[in-house]
Amino acid sequence: DGGITQSPKYLFRKEGQNVTLSCEQNLNHDAMYWYRQDPGQGLRLIYYSQIVNDFQKGDIAEGYSVSREKKESFPLTVTSAQKNPTAFYLCASSDLTGFRQGNEQFFGPGTRLTVL
Amino acid sequence: AQKVTQAQTEISVVEKEDVTLDCVYETRDTTYYLFWYKQPPSGELVFLIRRNSFDEQNEISGRYSWNFQKSTSSFNFTITASQVVDSAVYFCALSVHLRDDKIIFGKGTRLHILP
Repeated sequence: DGGITQSPKYLFRKEGQNVTLSCEQNLNHDAMYWYRQDPGQGLRLIYYSQIVNDFQKGDIAEGYSVSREKKESFPLTVTSAQKNPTAFYLCASSDLTGFRQGNEQFFGPGTRLTVL
Repeated sequence: AQKVTQAQTEISVVEKEDVTLDCVYETRDTTYYLFWYKQPPSGELVFLIRRNSFDEQNEISGRYSWNFQKSTSSFNFTITASQVVDSAVYFCALSVHLRDDKIIFGKGTRLHILP
């Protein structure tokens, strides 16, 4: 089945530790995205990538880092510099065929990160 | 600047009632795309519909219908004969042509369908 997988579903970390969230897609999509969701805040874009080995900051990139070494994978690292990392993190991908044609994004199941 | 406003934070209706979720958007661009997503309790966002700015026809898909009105910058979503399984958070979103492929989301409307 084609889709986006995120692991783990729930993640607990101690304050001050870096943690990496996994995102893999087998949809052959060029673009991948990371969002953060807090209660009542909707989705806020952290980073996005439209091609391998290239990525751009979103609206709330501070305290986060990403890599895009393979088309299928876009891991997100939450660093100790992120002041309030407890949140629900969603990964998404989209097809860039007909670039900038407003293609819909497809989402993974999310990872709920709790920093203790 | 682009913006999406979902003024209804939370709505509760009794099963089988009709319910409309409001969405108002702001953009100065003439070519843009509007979306609705559903987020059930499991957390994964599910794509429901995409509309481009040149297609103002209303869309119906089963119990779901969408009313796009450029004159009022609105893209409202109606669920007819609601069911408990419709309980979720619904997001309206906007992306603009010839910009990067970012989608701007509203803050969502939490819909409770009461049995």
